[in-house]
Amino acid sequence: EPEVTQTPSHQVTQMGQEVILRCVPISNHLYFYWYRQILGQKVEFLVSFYNNEISEKSEIFDDQFSVERPDGSNFTLKIRSTKLEDSAMYFCASSTTGSPETQYFGPGTRLLVL
Amino acid sequence: DAKTTQPPSMDCAEGRAANLPCNHSTISGNEYVYWYRQIHSQGPQYIIHGLKNNETNEMASLIITEDRKSSTLILPHATLRDTAVYYCIVRVARGAQKLVFGQGTRLTINP
Repeated sequence: EPEVTQTPSHQVTQMGQEVILRCVPISNHLYFYWYRQILGQKVEFLVSFYNNEISEKSEIFDDQFSVERPDGSNFTLKIRSTKLEDSAMYFCASSTTGSPETQYFGPGTRLLVL
Repeated sequence: DAKTTQPPSMDCAEGRAANLPCNHSTISGNEYVYWYRQIHSQGPQYIIHGLKNNETNEMASLIITEDRKSSTLILPHATLRDTAVYYCIVRVARGAQKLVFGQGTRLTINP
């Protein structure tokens, strides 16, 4: 069964460094999403992406964040200058254009900013 | 998206049916009820969704009341691997629409 994959599974970085989190969505999906979950807190929406542009973004998704679909298979989340509070699990999700639309999630990347 | 209310925690014996309730009294006519679960810190896993009819798949059954103001997710024969946080989410089911997760119900399956 096709699934969303994410790399790396764990990332440790120093405050102020740039990180890129990678996702390979399910192959025939056209909508892509990033969510994050700070330890012990709710899963929070960051951004949705369709047709090579951002469809919606949350207040969390400020100028330090960007997303890109550099080729036909990858979907990336870049954090330009990481802060301690960016430490969280980051989940990628994808969905088809069918109705009703259903999002499928990847296993996540655990980001730790020191 | 309509707000949902779920009990914070529930227990169920292994092998029994687990019935997880969800209230969504402000649901609109074009909003679906979705259920996801999260096992430990893994990615949320899609379980099932429905609009107004009861639905069943290989994982669970979804019972939606006739007025659509509440629903129940049923895991017919719960196993220890079903221990997870279960989220009931009400939303319009078209692309690029975010999922809004609440606190969910922490279901513990006991041996």
